[in-house]
Amino acid sequence: QQPVQSPQAVILREGEDAVINCSSSKALYSVHWYRQKHGEAPIFLMILLKGGEQKGHDKISASFNEKKQQSSLYLTASQLSYSGTYFCGTEIRDDKIIFGKGTRLHILP
Amino acid sequence: DTGVSQNPRHKITKRGQNVTFRCDPISEHNRLYWYRQTLGQGPEFLTYFQNEAQLEKSRLLSDRFSAERPKGSFSTLEIQRTEQGDSAMYLCASSRRLRVRATEAFFGQGTRLTVV
Repeated sequence: QQPVQSPQAVILREGEDAVINCSSSKALYSVHWYRQKHGEAPIFLMILLKGGEQKGHDKISASFNEKKQQSSLYLTASQLSYSGTYFCGTEIRDDKIIFGKGTRLHILP
Repeated sequence: DTGVSQNPRHKITKRGQNVTFRCDPISEHNRLYWYRQTLGQGPEFLTYFQNEAQLEKSRLLSDRFSAERPKGSFSTLEIQRTEQGDSAMYLCASSRRLRVRATEAFFGQGTRLTVV
């Protein structure tokens, strides 16, 4: 039931783009994306609802493919502040949020 | 501060002692979650509430763990007879659950438990 995230880790230079994927074996009700920096709590980025919507905030956007039970997080023109671990959380129906193991993103200057 | 508040922020306890953590959710939020996180891992689901009703408790959770949310406001998580394996960050999150759609959940700063 735990969503699978890929890749496990990414190293980028500032200004490069990254894609983080999240997939589930079950039909999804919603997908939540968070970023966590070392020693801090996860910070909410965005939520996507079933219906195949896409959302964006500044240079971070995400898509949700309900049929494939997948979501992807896109980071364009990455900034140093984007470094951290990204988690997707998935809901099946109106249920609890289960998180993946995370994708560690490191941005080099 | 109108965010999710957790107390204490840090707790060091001796093995075998009982500990209790408190979570105060955002005031209009009716759903509350507890998670446990160890280094390098994602938040692991423990339990969650809709108002005062506990909807589910993780099957991985031993009987030493119990949670309450009296009157659907703050919540407490108690660990009895702590073990060294209980050392982790305990995170609380809350959301305002609507009938027809999911909404974002916000995390508190967590309680870091160290069992010595």
